[in-house]
Amino acid sequence: GAGVSQSPSNKVTEKGKDVELRCDPISGHTALYWYRQSLGQGLEFLIYFQGNSAPDKSGLPSDRFSAERTGGSVSTLTIQRTQQEDSAVYLCASSLALAGESNEQFFGPGTRLTVL
Amino acid sequence: DQQVKQNSPSLSVQEGRISILNCDYTNSMFDYFLWYKKYPAEGPTFLISISSIKDKNEDGRFTVFLNKSAKHLSLHIVPSQPGDSAVYFCAASASNQFYFGTGTSLTVIP
Repeated sequence: GAGVSQSPSNKVTEKGKDVELRCDPISGHTALYWYRQSLGQGLEFLIYFQGNSAPDKSGLPSDRFSAERTGGSVSTLTIQRTQQEDSAVYLCASSLALAGESNEQFFGPGTRLTVL
Repeated sequence: DQQVKQNSPSLSVQEGRISILNCDYTNSMFDYFLWYKKYPAEGPTFLISISSIKDKNEDGRFTVFLNKSAKHLSLHIVPSQPGDSAVYFCAASASNQFYFGTGTSLTVIP
């Protein structure tokens, strides 16, 4: 089945290095979300892409975080100069973004990032 | 500032009995509420939803209740099964932005 995929599944990096996390949404889904889940916390919204509109970046915790979505499909979340507090599971979700009760999000399996 | 709260981090229920998971929210502008289920090492999967114009939505063993005056949401699972053991996240949305609670870990004891 063509669900949301994310890569890598696990990433261990050293403090200060840059990392890139990739998300392949479900084909045809116009909305794409990035979340992170730190240990013992809920899902924290990071950024939202909808079609060709400017992304909603209101959840990005600092200017070290950025994301792109090329061609309305694949998205990359980049974290520059990683810090230990960036360690978390980063989840991507996509949806049809229709009004009403059909706008459920489909989540990928996540990328577990560990910053040493 | 947590706009969606799940105050019970864990819940244990006997197989066959009812599981009730609770969720509170603060923003009256939320227009859509969802429950997700998450197994270890997997992403959350959608379970059931309700729009703010309704007070109940039922899908098989799962029923979601919405009390807007109390800003309270609950998920009822009956009868509970061991396969229901997972972490359940409550979520609320407004303007296509979603806010999640911290989750409740449900254990159904056989």
